[in-house]
This record gives sequence, structure tokens and C-alpha cells, in this order.
Amino acid sequence: DQQVKQNSPSLSVQEGRISILNCDYTNSMFDYFLWYKKYPAEGPTFLISISSIKDKNEDGRFTVFLNKSAKHLSLHIVPSQPGDSAVYFCAAGQHNNDMRFGAGTRLTVKP
Amino acid sequence: NAGVTQTPKFRILKIGQSMTLQCAQDMNHNYMYWYRQDPGMGLKLIYYSVGAGITDKGEVPNGYNVSRSTTEDFPLRLELAAPSQTSVYFCASSVVGDGYTFGSGTRLTVV
Repeated sequence: DQQVKQNSPSLSVQEGRISILNCDYTNSMFDYFLWYKKYPAEGPTFLISISSIKDKNEDGRFTVFLNKSAKHLSLHIVPSQPGDSAVYFCAAGQHNNDMRFGAGTRLTVKP
Repeated sequence: NAGVTQTPKFRILKIGQSMTLQCAQDMNHNYMYWYRQDPGMGLKLIYYSVGAGITDKGEVPNGYNVSRSTTEDFPLRLELAAPSQTSVYFCASSVVGDGYTFGSGTRLTVV
């Protein structure tokens, strides 16, 4: 059972524009959500998180939005830069252990 | 500060062989995790540990064993390697409420 889904395997945007990566989850008990970024041949790197008591969290160019009723979260990157090109994983879970990961979305930012 | 160190980076095993994937962290994190990533899939949790002497099964524990005798080390043991265990393995660590710090991964091929 895939409790965390990223339905878009890839996304391509122009440099300077907004990138929006989406993630859906099925388990209503999940209360902690994270986004990770992964470059080839490296481990994932933590990017930004949000807990279920919030609906938005910002960190510089990165903003995560959480819609609990829809069981949906999204990551916005504004403005997108070529160095943002990577695979982005959404993760969800309870109390930050036993986190479940989505399959990832490959973002390509074109100069 | 090395973070999370995984060894080896690459390994080819024959069916039925055994091996141990090593993971060490120097951040004094209580939580440690082992994930595997198959092509086109998200990370699947194999085992995790909330502290020395305590381990728990994740989503896909069959065919693996772990131990946590110290805070720093969390080795993953494969006893009878099977082709289905061909994957990239990631070790991670965290403190409660923080994102995970991942190692750079071990690429394992079972032939």
C-alpha cells in the first residue's frame, strides 16, 4: 500500500518561474511532513518540513503548503534556479519516525 | 563533521551470500533508519532504531537484520542474499522533530 503518492514523475520549468511539486497521502494519522531533495549518487537532503498544526511553512525560496482535509501537500519554489534540478521526495509520518516516502518527482529547471 | 557514513559504496553479491552494510553517525542522534530505494520507487523503511538496544521493523524487514549496540552504529545484515534485494540502501539518523540526515548510499547488486 502506497500511503504517500507523488503522481508526477517529472516536472520541467523555466528558470525564474515557480515550481510546484505535489504530494498526496492516505493516512489521516500522519502529523509530520517533509520534503527532501536528492542529487544523483548522493543521499537525500532535508529541505523543509511542516507539522499538522500548520498549513504553511516558508524557508527562503521554498514554501510548503498543507491541506489536511484534502490530504495534500505541495512544495513551491520561487524563483526556480538551475541548481534546483534534482529529484524531490515527499515524506509523511507520525512523530517523525517510520516516515513513508513518495516515489519522487524529477524537477528540471531550464536556463 | 562527517554526518552519516555508509560503507561500502558498491557491492556485488552472489545469491545466498551474506554481508553487513555499515552505518555510522557522529551527531549523537538517537534515531537511526535503514531505507532501500528501488528504481522508480520511493524509499521503503526496512528497520529503525530509537536508541541503543532498541530496534523496530519498518515496511519491508524480511531478509534483513539489524542491531544497535551503540548510539553511533547501526549495521544492516543480509543473511541469504536474493536478487530481490538488489537496490540502493540508505542509512539515516535524526533527533525527534528534525529532518533526517542521510548517508550517500550503498548500491547492492545480487547476481
